[in-house]
Amino acid sequence: GAVVSQHPSRVICKSGTSVKIECRSLDFQATTMFWYRQFPKQSLMLMATSNEGSKATYEQGVEKDKFLINHASLTLSTLTVTSAHPEDSSFYICSAFSPGTGGEQYFGPGTRLTVT
Amino acid sequence: GENVEQHPSTLSVQEGDSAVIKCTYSDSASNYFPWYKQELGKRPQLIIDIRSNVGEKKDQRIAVTLNKTAKHFSLHITETQPEDSAVYFCAAKSGNQAGTALIFGKGTTLSVSS
Repeated sequence: GAVVSQHPSRVICKSGTSVKIECRSLDFQATTMFWYRQFPKQSLMLMATSNEGSKATYEQGVEKDKFLINHASLTLSTLTVTSAHPEDSSFYICSAFSPGTGGEQYFGPGTRLTVT
Repeated sequence: GENVEQHPSTLSVQEGDSAVIKCTYSDSASNYFPWYKQELGKRPQLIIDIRSNVGEKKDQRIAVTLNKTAKHFSLHITETQPEDSAVYFCAAKSGNQAGTALIFGKGTTLSVSS
């Protein structure tokens, strides 16, 4: 099946700094990738849709200037959390749609972000 | 946009019993309904899915039913085992286009006691 990787798996940063998370589709091309955030004991909440070669589409309530998304190639999308604060600590998961699977999305392993 | 409601939020059963989790969706254009199992700190794992042209699908101990008219779908696990204990999420997606994301329900924590 299709494989999606994420890097790093865990990151700890200080308040006010920025953190970049990478999401890669390893064996297929993904024109669209999705970024989710999951707080402890909660569901996956869609943050934004990342489109290759164009601007990302953000969900209501998600600050586009704080969560910068870049989808520069068909296999890589990045999420940069700028000026991170403790309330940004969460589990960030990306996913990608693989053409030909009839709608199935493949998830990365997630990135645990802790802001101190 | 799509809204997915999931019930119950917690479910405790004895080993060997059946477990049923129900979801409703709001967008009549949704046509893909997967179920995921998620263990702590890991990515969601697809366990079964159903498309809107099918009313029921079964895979060993797991089955999913879909009622398009009522806009609800359910997960059925028979002969539950302790290793079935996890958080389960339903989701819905409209269209096969690449640009449509899955929208998730709030999750059900299933506990199977031996």
